[in-house]
Formats: sequence, C-alpha cells, structure tokens
Amino acid sequence: KNEVEQSPQNLTAQEGEFITINCSYSVGISALHWLQQHPGGGIVSLFMLSSGKKKHGRLIATINIQEKHSSLHITASHPRDSAVYICAVLLTSSARQLTFGSGTQLTVLP
Amino acid sequence: GAVVSQHPSRVICKSGTSVKIECRSLDFQATTMFWYRQFPKQSLMLMATSNEGSKATYEQGVEKDKFLINHASLTLSTLTVTSAHPEDSSFYICSARPEQPYEQYFGPGTRLTVT
Repeated sequence: KNEVEQSPQNLTAQEGEFITINCSYSVGISALHWLQQHPGGGIVSLFMLSSGKKKHGRLIATINIQEKHSSLHITASHPRDSAVYICAVLLTSSARQLTFGSGTQLTVLP
Repeated sequence: GAVVSQHPSRVICKSGTSVKIECRSLDFQATTMFWYRQFPKQSLMLMATSNEGSKATYEQGVEKDKFLINHASLTLSTLTVTSAHPEDSSFYICSARPEQPYEQYFGPGTRLTVT
C-alpha cells in the first residue's frame, strides 16, 4: 500500500463546477504539499500545510492531521485549471525528502 | 515566491555522449537540492539529494557513476548524465529547499531525448 493515496485518479468537470481532490496518508508527516503540473511539465507548488486551511484565489486546501487526510478544492473551475494535481508529504521520519501521491489528472471542459 | 530555474529546458543528444543539466535557485540560498526523474504518466521519482559542499546521496537503484551530481554553491546544482543511452530519455526535474521553512521549490524541468 502506498504511503500517500490520491483520489480520484482522473476527474473531468464542466467549467464553473466545484472540484475536490483528496489525499490520504498513512504515516506521520511534518507537512503536506499540493503541487500542480501542467502538460508542459513544470511543477508549481500551490500550498504547503501542516494544519488547518489555506486559501489562494479560487484554491482552498485543508488538512486534518488526526484523520491523516487533506483536500484540495477549486471553486468556479476553468479550463486553464486542467493539469495534474499532486499531493506530496514530508514524512517525520525523513528530514527533507517528499513522498508523492500518484496524481490526479483534472480536465475542465468549456 | 521563490524561483528555481533549469537549463536547458530541452536537449537532444546522441548515445554515448554526456549531458549536463543546471538547476539554480534565483532568489534564495538552497542548502538542499533534489533531482527527480519522471516517466510519462508517472509520478516523480527521487534520484538523489544533494547538500551544498558535500557528496550527493543517491536513491537505491540510481547509478552514481552515471548520474553525476555536483552542488558546488548554495544556488547551483548540476546533474550530468554520462554515456547517455536511449533509456535515459526522460523528464528531469530539480527542486530546491532553503534551510527553513519546509517549502520546496521546483524547477520547470528538462526533457532529455537520447537518440
């Protein structure tokens, strides 16, 4: 079993829809990252969380440490949001290395 | 936010030659840099971790003599793929971390094609 599980693997939505991507992990972590990778390949760090909730524009990330679960929400989705979203955790047992989920391919249709 | 650059963004080379990829942190000092490899439709695979001024730590299965990593300064790490082979064709991504906080900043990646 992977230490970091994401769901769904693939998600297709209509423009304007509210989107949720989930991430569960099975080990102790120091921090959790949400990353975005566009088809060109470059990776952008969206959020780093260790507790609570963060918001940036139309993106909201939450984390529940007790339940070992995080969600990434996109409000009023747009075709330019189409990308792969990756959850990555910094394990407490590993000082610096990230452990990655397998990613969620999001496609937002106009 | 902090910026990490990679150069080149794309490179095509012939089998048997060596290719150097640079990773630079532009506006912060990176005490640690990471090199990843990504195959199509797969997640990032950590190849090695490098700390400024010391030898890189390679992940199991990564040949240190084939993938030479140098972290000569707090803003520059290089990955050299030696005696390149078509199976080395992949997308290589670096990331950089300052001493604090736990944030990691990713470069835009380098697509290597070995013919």
